[in-house]
Amino acid sequence: AQTVTQSQPEMSVQEAETVTLSCTYDTSESDYYLFWYKQPPSRQMILVIRQEAYKQQNATENRFSVNFQKAAKSFSLKISDSQLGDAAMYFCAYRMNYGGSQGNLIFGKGTKLSVKP
Amino acid sequence: EAQVTQNPRYLITVTGKKLTVTCSQNMNHEYMSWYRQDPGLGLRQIYYSMNVEVTDKGDVPEGYKVSRKEKRNFPLILESPSPNQTSLYFCASSLIGLGNQPQHFGDGTRLSIL
Repeated sequence: AQTVTQSQPEMSVQEAETVTLSCTYDTSESDYYLFWYKQPPSRQMILVIRQEAYKQQNATENRFSVNFQKAAKSFSLKISDSQLGDAAMYFCAYRMNYGGSQGNLIFGKGTKLSVKP
Repeated sequence: EAQVTQNPRYLITVTGKKLTVTCSQNMNHEYMSWYRQDPGLGLRQIYYSMNVEVTDKGDVPEGYKVSRKEKRNFPLILESPSPNQTSLYFCASSLIGLGNQPQHFGDGTRLSIL
């Protein structure tokens, strides 16, 4: 069974600095997708960034980028120029691209990010 | 506006009193799913549905029921709620078979079972 591990329950970053959140996953599949979701205090689940496993190029969305290491099964999220609004719980998630459960997201336990002014 | 709508947003109830949390999406998505979120455990899948009349268990289905009679609706039923079902619940939907289409989440339902 696939699993997703976020080894940092909490992290802190100074405003305007850069922070990296770690995520590793375990799968025997080769075709899958990886996601980072942000959950602010409002509880909404907001998609931050996504990565297709078949793409070698790391995804980037404005200040957010990932370091995808397929062989190492690692998918870290880098937040540059951190802002107070980045304070939230961040979840890493995995999804297969085929099969009867292809829509199912498997989540890590989350990393709570604090941003200090 | 494309959205997933859950109701109610908050509910406090007592053990054994049947309740239903509704979920509706207006994006014509085939796939819908329910998750529960507990501190330190992340989100865990309860049930999912690949299309109308097609449902299947997720990782934590005990104590829950679902139905998918219409494509847009996917209610979560707790027939005899217990305190260990106190949690934050999310409904989500997405397209199937179109690559990296993300799941769209509802705003969550906070359930407290006393």
